[in-house]
Amino acid sequence: AQKITQTQPGMFVQEKEAVTLDCTYDTSDPSYGLFWYKQPSSGEMIFLIYQGSYDQQNATEGRYSLNFQKARKSANLVISASQLGDSAMYFCAMREIGGGGNKLTFGTGTQLKVEL
Amino acid sequence: DADVTQTPRNRITKTGKRIMLECSQTKGHDRMYWYRQDPGLGLRLIYYSFDVKDINKGEISDGYSVSRQAQAKFSLSLESAIPNQTALYFCATSDRSGTTATDTQYFGPGTRLTVL
Repeated sequence: AQKITQTQPGMFVQEKEAVTLDCTYDTSDPSYGLFWYKQPSSGEMIFLIYQGSYDQQNATEGRYSLNFQKARKSANLVISASQLGDSAMYFCAMREIGGGGNKLTFGTGTQLKVEL
Repeated sequence: DADVTQTPRNRITKTGKRIMLECSQTKGHDRMYWYRQDPGLGLRLIYYSFDVKDINKGEISDGYSVSRQAQAKFSLSLESAIPNQTALYFCATSDRSGTTATDTQYFGPGTRLTVL
């Protein structure tokens, strides 16, 4: 079974609108972390936001917020007030503590295109 | 200056050649990782190292070897390159964080490798 599933290969959003990128995960480890990374066309991987499995509140970082629904095992990224520079590939990733190591398992990504 | 650097940034080589990709970091992190990215597959872990004396295989280590020359340097070698090793390769680092999941990995700019 896929540990991280991103079901939206591509998304379009109008500039200044909000957009939600979906991510569901699968783990039996009670302690884990969820991450979102942005990969612009230039190729680098940029860390955006982190959510811990024991965190009581949803994580926020500027225009990024993570809609964490633990019972549903989802960790959707919400980008508010989209900008043209938000056009990129976005990856959801998970780190399981009990599995040993500090390995990140990545989803296959969602390509976001922000339009005027 | 970038905290995590990778050399070379681009490389074209022929089947059977030995290739070394190098990663250096100035973040002072203990942990270093090598990933490869293929279209539609996200990032997959090749090797990781928690310190100079600790090296571990990831999910796709066959055909690769690594060397942790110092805390700040982690090299990936392809002993005999083959075309299906054509990919974008990323080095990442993270700091030791005990038992928490908040161990964010920071990525280098990537090396685009083409094996003909």
